[in-house]
Amino acid sequence: KQEVTQIPAALSVPEGENLVLNCSFTDSAIYNLQWFRQDPGKGLTSLLLIQSSQREQTSGRLNASLDKSSGRSTLYIAASQPGDSATYLCAVLRNQAGTALIFGKGTTLSVSS
Amino acid sequence: GAVVSQHPSRVICKSGTSVKIECRSLDFQATTMFWYRQFPKQSLMLMATSNEGSKATYEQGVEKDKFLINHASLTLSTLTVTSAHPEDSSFYICSASPGTSGRHEQFFGPGTRLTVL
Repeated sequence: KQEVTQIPAALSVPEGENLVLNCSFTDSAIYNLQWFRQDPGKGLTSLLLIQSSQREQTSGRLNASLDKSSGRSTLYIAASQPGDSATYLCAVLRNQAGTALIFGKGTTLSVSS
Repeated sequence: GAVVSQHPSRVICKSGTSVKIECRSLDFQATTMFWYRQFPKQSLMLMATSNEGSKATYEQGVEKDKFLINHASLTLSTLTVTSAHPEDSSFYICSASPGTSGRHEQFFGPGTRLTVL
């Protein structure tokens, strides 16, 4: 059974710091991995998607890496801003189309100005 | 990216009533949609997979007679919480994937906050 773990559960940093969020999964047979952002009481915003054949994806100040063999992914946020404060969720797609994402519990990030 | 909508965004109801939540894919067709539930400070837990034109597939521990799912078209899935009770109060969120690009990226609706009094 696929399990997704995110460390740390919460993180507080001052504005401007670079930070790394970690995600691990127990079954390396994944189709892709997605990172999402969730603001309190809101839905999910997709940040980055990494296909199983890819090593990393970048979007602006965000960079996500994937090491499928070791079951790990990281989300790197450069030059953090107060607006980055949210919960970041990692999720893996188990096989292919038609199957649901399996989510970690998230990392709640707080960036102080 | 693709857009998924949900309606209503928030609903408050009395115990014993039924509540219907709609999930629509606005700019793509989805043969499969997914319904999740999220309790405060918890992650999303898959409730069921909604399949267009056929019965939904429920996760273990989810009562199919209590959480009725209908996927009547390629752009609409509904979740009906029947005889709602306070313990059903939660954040319900759906997702869908266009599935045409090969990326199988899933897009999520904005969620529905259900409060049962």
